[in-house]
Amino acid sequence: EVQLVQSGAEVKKPGESLKISCKGSGYSFTNYWIGWVRQMPGKGLEWMGIIYPGDSDTRYSPSFQGQVTISADKSISTAYLQWSSLKASDTAMYYCARLIAARHLDYWGQGTLVTVSS
Amino acid sequence: EIVMTQSPATLSVSPGERATLSCRASQSVSSNLAWYQQKPGQAPRLLIYGASTRATGIPARFGGSGSGTDFTLTISSLQSEDFAVYYCQQYNNWPPYTFGQGTKLEIK
Repeated sequence: EVQLVQSGAEVKKPGESLKISCKGSGYSFTNYWIGWVRQMPGKGLEWMGIIYPGDSDTRYSPSFQGQVTISADKSISTAYLQWSSLKASDTAMYYCARLIAARHLDYWGQGTLVTVSS
Repeated sequence: EIVMTQSPATLSVSPGERATLSCRASQSVSSNLAWYQQKPGQAPRLLIYGASTRATGIPARFGGSGSGTDFTLTISSLQSEDFAVYYCQQYNNWPPYTFGQGTKLEIK
């Protein structure tokens, strides 16, 4: 069974750093792109970027370029999303999901809620 | 960036009736369009890809159509579990693959 399991909810202060994770199982992790999607409270879905764990090829949406870093460790089938300095506006639910043929998202993680507040 | 516009923002339909949701792209995306369903407190779920192909396990009452810039998701006979928010997403052009703003399907 394909599963993407994300790390737990985080509460951080502005300026702090954070790295959240997404662990894949039940399929060949290195052969599928992983995407990260943001959902701000009460809002829609926003595509942040994608990574191919096989070679760590990473592509960012222009809105998120320079704001976050996407990475992966194929040895433990885990993708990451990280911030070096969080802002209150980073408060959101973050989902990872598997891309089929680098196109649409067929399996999703359960989401990681990030709350940034002083 | 391709902008996806969904209409209406909210659609009120009675159980058992038909629902028609629209998605328009700012430029052609061919048939590179997917639809997702999201219920409160849950991750989105893939319903349709390739504009008209149902994902695994999706009931036949869900149907997708369209190509180019205009797309439709039709739910033929609404069940209680179908009331949710629906998003379209284009994957014709990166960066980025963009989502529509969503249509909330509510019980009339």
